[in-house]
Amino acid sequence: DQQVKQNSPSLSVQEGRISILNCDYTNSMFDYFLWYKKYPAEGPTFLISISSIKDKNEDGRFTVFLNKSAKHLSLHIVPSQPGDSAVYFCAASELSQTGANNLFFGTGTRLTVIP
Amino acid sequence: NAGVTQTPKFRVLKTGQSMTLLCAQDMNHEYMYWYRQDPGMGLRLIHYSVGEGTTAKGEVPDGYNVSRLKKQNFLLGLESAAPSQTSVYFCASSYFANSPLHFGNGTRLTVT
Repeated sequence: DQQVKQNSPSLSVQEGRISILNCDYTNSMFDYFLWYKKYPAEGPTFLISISSIKDKNEDGRFTVFLNKSAKHLSLHIVPSQPGDSAVYFCAASELSQTGANNLFFGTGTRLTVIP
Repeated sequence: NAGVTQTPKFRVLKTGQSMTLLCAQDMNHEYMYWYRQDPGMGLRLIHYSVGEGTTAKGEVPDGYNVSRLKKQNFLLGLESAAPSQTSVYFCASSYFANSPLHFGNGTRLTVT
């Protein structure tokens, strides 16, 4: 069963407006959350992360919010730009016994920013 | 700085054939990972390594083997390919256990 879920396969937003991408998780042991961005024919690239001890992390136009009680996180992009058009993956981390970073990924949301 | 390089980029195999996917990183990262991405699913972890000479199973390890003989290389092997292994394979690496992963550009594998 999918432990990280992104229920919106796609999202279209006008340039300059806010984009909000959502993600839900089921495993309460997850303590580190990340967003990755992926362009076609490329690998995912890291965008922003948040630890479970925080409820918000900001990096320029990108802000991630974490609601642990609801097991929900969201990525806000303000203002949205055409170059932001990509697939966004939410991921959650559970450190394994060997200390490796076992990331569980959502299925992705395709964001289209309309000029 | 090349980062994470995967070879080949594309491959078509017939059922029962074998092949090895190569991942190389030049960032001196300790941790390396192999993921597969299938339509309608998130990336799923196949195997990982926490250092040279070590490997461990991830979420979907069946049908795959891996080796990490050198720190910079992580090889993924398919001994007898099956159509269910048609997928896009991504290699990733990280310096610390809980630091963001750096991904390669993927290998698209089709098994007929």
